[in-house]
Amino acid sequence: GDSVTQMEGPVTLSEEAFLTINCTYTATGYPSLFWYVQYPGEGLQLLLKATKADDKGSNKGFEATYRKETTSFHLEKGSVQVSDSAVYFCALSDDTGGFKTIFGAGTRLFVKA
Amino acid sequence: GAVVSQHPSRVICKSGTSVKIECRSLDFQATTMFWYRQFPKQSLMLMATSNEGSKATYEQGVEKDKFLINHASLTLSTLTVTSAHPEDSSFYICSGTVKNIQYFGAGTRLSVL
Repeated sequence: GDSVTQMEGPVTLSEEAFLTINCTYTATGYPSLFWYVQYPGEGLQLLLKATKADDKGSNKGFEATYRKETTSFHLEKGSVQVSDSAVYFCALSDDTGGFKTIFGAGTRLFVKA
Repeated sequence: GAVVSQHPSRVICKSGTSVKIECRSLDFQATTMFWYRQFPKQSLMLMATSNEGSKATYEQGVEKDKFLINHASLTLSTLTVTSAHPEDSSFYICSGTVKNIQYFGAGTRLSVL
């Protein structure tokens, strides 16, 4: 079945450091890929998405490119801020699965001032 | 983006009582909504798919008599945890889908004493 694997955390960075959170997936169809962010005590918010190969999703300085050849969707940000501290979930949605969303385990990010 | 409202945000109850959680789509019609459970520092586990006007579809291992789901209208799905026990304490999150993107409620933290 479909699955999502993302790097284990926690990831601890200093403010203005470069961020990469790796995400790879397996899917039988042609999934859409997502990154969601969860701040403490809250639900999930969509951060960015990509619906086909080579698409780049971007939002709030975060970027991720849909790489079909490597089945990856790594999240990057050039300069993190303390306010970026949260848990980040990579996810896929495949129309062959009735549009259910499969989530990775989540990666907790701590950004120090 | 679409807005999903979840209520209550936090509930504390005694063992043996039942708790109802509401999930409303405020600006879209949701024929399908999803209910997730999230344990501390873990990813989301899909519990069930709520279908408007018909029975919910439960994931393997989820007790349908324990977690009652009702989706009586296009904007409201409810999850009732019946005869709650301390092991049911968790963070419950609902979502609705618009154009293959899931929009999440803020979550309900259930604590069973």
